[in-house]
Amino acid sequence: GEDVEQSLFLSVREGDSSVINCTYTDSSSTYLYWYKQEPGAGLQLLTYIFSNMDMKQDQRLTVLLNKKDKHLSLRIADTQTGDSAIYFCAESGNNDMRFGAGTRLTVKP
Amino acid sequence: DSGVTQTPKHLITATGQRVTLRCSPRSGDLSVYWYQQSLDQGLQFLIQYYNGEERAKGNILERFSAQQFPDLHSELNLSSLELGDSALYFCASSAKWDSPLHFGNGTRLTVT
Repeated sequence: GEDVEQSLFLSVREGDSSVINCTYTDSSSTYLYWYKQEPGAGLQLLTYIFSNMDMKQDQRLTVLLNKKDKHLSLRIADTQTGDSAIYFCAESGNNDMRFGAGTRLTVKP
Repeated sequence: DSGVTQTPKHLITATGQRVTLRCSPRSGDLSVYWYQQSLDQGLQFLIQYYNGEERAKGNILERFSAQQFPDLHSELNLSSLELGDSALYFCASSAKWDSPLHFGNGTRLTVT
């Protein structure tokens, strides 16, 4: 079946850039998403990219999509302690939406 | 605030019992999704409704059922509860099937 995979943990220092990576298998994906989940809260939609785009920038967030390699990344510039959370990659297509297991980002002061 | 409302926030009940979780989607969204999030299973898709009709089914147990009402709110019914059903249950809504999902803050279910 189709899978979305991402590494489970990432630790960075405050002020550094964070890069969270994701790979997916469904070549018919329409949109690819990044969600953020803070403790005790739901998943907050951070940003998304249409599958025919290769980059999207939104303030400190940059999404890169390599459709050939089915690789999606989220770069957070100038990472702050408030960015500590779990980040989920997701893709939609074929009437379905699939989530990765989430990457726990820890930002150290 | 995503605009998706879930009630209750917390629920504690005993094994064998039955509970109902409620979700109000964002204004104008026709699709409602239910997800289960547990520590060992991650985020599991349960079921999706679109404008009152079941559209897709995921890993939903036979003890669980859901429906979407004419006013578009949805309920997830969990029966014959087991300890392993303890989890966060999220509702999400979207305008159409390939639109971004917007999540509620979830209902934390604890089965004792």
